[in-house]
Amino acid sequence: QVQLVQSGAEVKKTGSSVTVSCKASGGTFTTYAFNWVRQAPGQGLEWMGGIIPVFNITNYARKFQGRVTISADKSSSLAYMELSSLRSDDTAVYYCARHPRYCSGGTCHSKQLPDWGQGTLVTVSS
Amino acid sequence: EIVLTQSPGTLSLSPGERASLFCRASESISSSLLAWYQQKPGQAPRLLIYDTSSRASGISDRFRGSGSGTLFTLTISRLEPEDFAVYYCQQYGSSPLYTFGQGTKLEIK
Repeated sequence: QVQLVQSGAEVKKTGSSVTVSCKASGGTFTTYAFNWVRQAPGQGLEWMGGIIPVFNITNYARKFQGRVTISADKSSSLAYMELSSLRSDDTAVYYCARHPRYCSGGTCHSKQLPDWGQGTLVTVSS
Repeated sequence: EIVLTQSPGTLSLSPGERASLFCRASESISSSLLAWYQQKPGQAPRLLIYDTSSRASGISDRFRGSGSGTLFTLTISRLEPEDFAVYYCQQYGSSPLYTFGQGTKLEIK
């Protein structure tokens, strides 16, 4: 059974950092790519970045470069998203989502996201 | 960077009717790498359609995706009460790796 279980809700101060984890079960961890998508209250979905753990390749949305770090621990089947220099507008639900890794000719491709975690609410206040 | 614009913003229909949701891209999406997701309040998004027209596992055949280039459509035939939700289109494969539309809210009339 495919499952992505995320860490619990966080309340953070402005300027601090937060790390959200995503525990994957069902399927071999290294055959997937993991992505992080956030959703501010009442707003749409926003892709932040992703990682292909087997190659340790990361990609970040331009908006978050320099502030987000996505990593993975293959031994524990965990993916992580760390966001630093938190602002009030970082208040959002953060989702991890994965898809089967698809790489050919030395290039890995992004694909649709069939598997999602339950979401983690991060609240940032001063 | 590809921008996806969904229309309408809100669609009010009755159960049993047919819904047509649109997603326009700012430039042509290569290889039709476009997906649709459904999201209900308090839940994570659920993949409905990928590669423009392929239904995800377990998705009813009432959901149909179509389109090419810059204009894509999600059609939901014979609306059921559980279909009323927010729908997002998403492109993948171009830089940035993923872009979402702003969403269409399908509400009960």
